[in-house]
Amino acid sequence: KNEVEQSPQNLTAQEGEFITINCSYSVGISALHWLQQHPGGGIVSLFMLSSGKKKHGRLIATINIQEKHSSLHITASHPRDSAVYICAVNPTQLTFGTGTRLTIIP
Amino acid sequence: GAVVSQHPSRVICKSGTSVKIECRSLDFQATTMFWYRQFPKQSLMLMATSNEGSKATYEQGVEKDKFLINHASLTLSTLTVTSAHPEDSSFYICSASVQGAPGNQPQHFGDGTRLSIL
Repeated sequence: KNEVEQSPQNLTAQEGEFITINCSYSVGISALHWLQQHPGGGIVSLFMLSSGKKKHGRLIATINIQEKHSSLHITASHPRDSAVYICAVNPTQLTFGTGTRLTIIP
Repeated sequence: GAVVSQHPSRVICKSGTSVKIECRSLDFQATTMFWYRQFPKQSLMLMATSNEGSKATYEQGVEKDKFLINHASLTLSTLTVTSAHPEDSSFYICSASVQGAPGNQPQHFGDGTRLSIL
C-alpha cells in the first residue's frame, strides 16, 4: 500500500510570500497529482506529473522519482490561494494525502 | 477544460431515506468514474470505481447493497445511498477520466455532495 505524507499539515502566511508544500510517498508510481480543494469542498486538479517540473501561472510543481518526493510552490501568494492542497499518487487507484491547509493573510 | 457536474450539492434528509447523487461529464465521455467519501479533515477515500456498461468495483469495506452505483452512459454515473442513516452523513465526491488507470489520466472532479442524515 502506498503511504502518502504531506507537510506541513497547516500553513499560514502573509500575502506575497513564497509557499512550499511537500509530499512524500512510499512506493513507486507513474504519476503524481496535485489537487486544490476549496472551502466548499470542490476539487480542482492542478497538476499531473511523472517527472521534472511543471508550471502554471504562479504555481510550480516538481517531482523527484528517485527520492519519492514532490513539492508544490506558490509564488506571490494571494488570499484567494487559501485552500487545502492535496497530493495523490497511483499506480492503480489514487491514494491521497491528508492535505495541507493553506491560509494566506492579506 | 473538462467539466464534471455533481448534483445535488447538499442534501438533508431523515434516517431511512434513499438519496441519489448524480455525476455528469459535460463535455467529454467518461468511461470511468470514481466515487469518493471524505470525512471532516480527512483525506478522500475511494468507495468504488464505476465503468460504463458494467458493474462497479467496490473497495473493501464498502457495502455494495448500501451504495448502489449505476453508470448507464458515458456521461452519467449515479450513487444511491439506500436507507441512509446518520453514520452515512459525509461529503461524497465523484471524479471522471476519459479512460485508463486513474493515476495515469487527469482527473476531473465534481463539486461534491454534502449529505446530512438526521
